[in-house]
Amino acid sequence: NAGVTQTPKFRVLKTGQSMTLLCAQDMNHEYMYWYRQDPGMGLRLIHYSVGEGTTAKGEVPDGYNVSRLKKQNFLLGLESAAPSQTSVYFCASSSRLAGGREQYFGPGTRLTVT
Amino acid sequence: QKEVEQDPGPLSVPEGAIVSLNCTYSNSAFQYFMWYRQYSRKGPELLMYTYSSGNKEDGRFTAQVDKSSKYISLFIRDSQPSDSATYLCAMSANAGGTSYGKLTFGQGTILTVHP
Repeated sequence: NAGVTQTPKFRVLKTGQSMTLLCAQDMNHEYMYWYRQDPGMGLRLIHYSVGEGTTAKGEVPDGYNVSRLKKQNFLLGLESAAPSQTSVYFCASSSRLAGGREQYFGPGTRLTVT
Repeated sequence: QKEVEQDPGPLSVPEGAIVSLNCTYSNSAFQYFMWYRQYSRKGPELLMYTYSSGNKEDGRFTAQVDKSSKYISLFIRDSQPSDSATYLCAMSANAGGTSYGKLTFGQGTILTVHP
């Protein structure tokens, strides 16, 4: 039981490049989330999904897109990376039964945009 | 003004001390209150969660919520070096069950417990 996994762990991009971050969970959770963590800012919600095929915007969605084609996977895309997107990205999942309040986090992806 | 304010510290205490971590918030819709612990270069892990006002105890950890003051606390008794981490408060509203667990986090407090 791996819990929540994220790939890649590290990535360096040049401004304007694109990439996709993959999150996978094996707990059969309905809800999945993408956060970014910046120094002094805590975690901020980018997008979330309450089920396969559904996504919604969080607090800071601009510059990101997401897809949830399978229940266990949640993808975060950056179409044209900007230095302001340098951050640590965390994926989390939670069960609908818990109301989404008990969230399990992955280990994070450290992204640097130069 | 941020919806959730948390003193970032850093906080440094000797082993065995009682630690008090606090958050204030402005959104009266928040009803669920969590504390997450995050070790360096790891993802956050849920430590405790409480609903509405009151106290909750789990071993050396006690969470308190005072909704009238919009203030929550986490107390750690007999602190250990292994408690050294960043502690994040988080909160969630429950707008008719459609909050879907959308959490608003504090900035996190860096705690170091030295032997």
